Amino acid sequence: DGGITQSPKYLFRKEGQNVTLSCEQNLNHDAMYWYRQDPGQGLRLIYYSQIVNDFQKGDIAEGYSVSREKKESFPLTVTSAQKNPTAFYLCASNLGQGRNTEAFFGQGTRLTVV
Amino acid sequence: GENVEQHPSTLSVQEGDSAVIKCTYSDSASNYFPWYKQELGKRPQLIIDIRSNVGEKKDQRIAVTLNKTAKHFSLHITETQPEDSAVYFCAASRDTGFQKLVFGTGTRLLVSP
Repeated sequence: DGGITQSPKYLFRKEGQNVTLSCEQNLNHDAMYWYRQDPGQGLRLIYYSQIVNDFQKGDIAEGYSVSREKKESFPLTVTSAQKNPTAFYLCASNLGQGRNTEAFFGQGTRLTVV
Repeated sequence: GENVEQHPSTLSVQEGDSAVIKCTYSDSASNYFPWYKQELGKRPQLIIDIRSNVGEKKDQRIAVTLNKTAKHFSLHITETQPEDSAVYFCAASRDTGFQKLVFGTGTRLLVSP
């Protein structure tokens, strides 16, 4: 189903803790993206990667970090520096290469800070 | 940078009616306009897109129109069905990569039987 998998589906974090969200794709896509979705707002770009071992900040990168050691994987770490981390996080991938090719989204991870 | 506004935020229609969702954008150089559908608890999926070299595109019950002069584009759904109930997002960008897409705030469409 879709070829891009996020885990876990739900995640609870205590204040002050770092947590890592997983995103894996088997679509052989070069580019991967992380978005944050809040109620009443559009998707906002956190980080993106167009090729292995390279990634760029999006519009709201503060308090987040990523890595792209493998083509298939693009994990997102929500650090304790992120002031308001409770949100729905979506990962996406596409062929990239600077073109607006169709992107496929994962099912999302809902992060709640308790 | 680009700014995308989407209206209405919620839309309720009866099954069989038409639904129209409108988006405006600010960057006159934007030339790619996709629409995504997100059913409750599911991932967003591309349902239709349009590029600025055409004014309208149709796919069965779904159509998108683009007015470059006025900088707005709209999603039209005819003969709505309950399974059309979802949140719909518009987006806009120059054709320079998916990371440049700016999304609207979404429209929750509810189709009542």
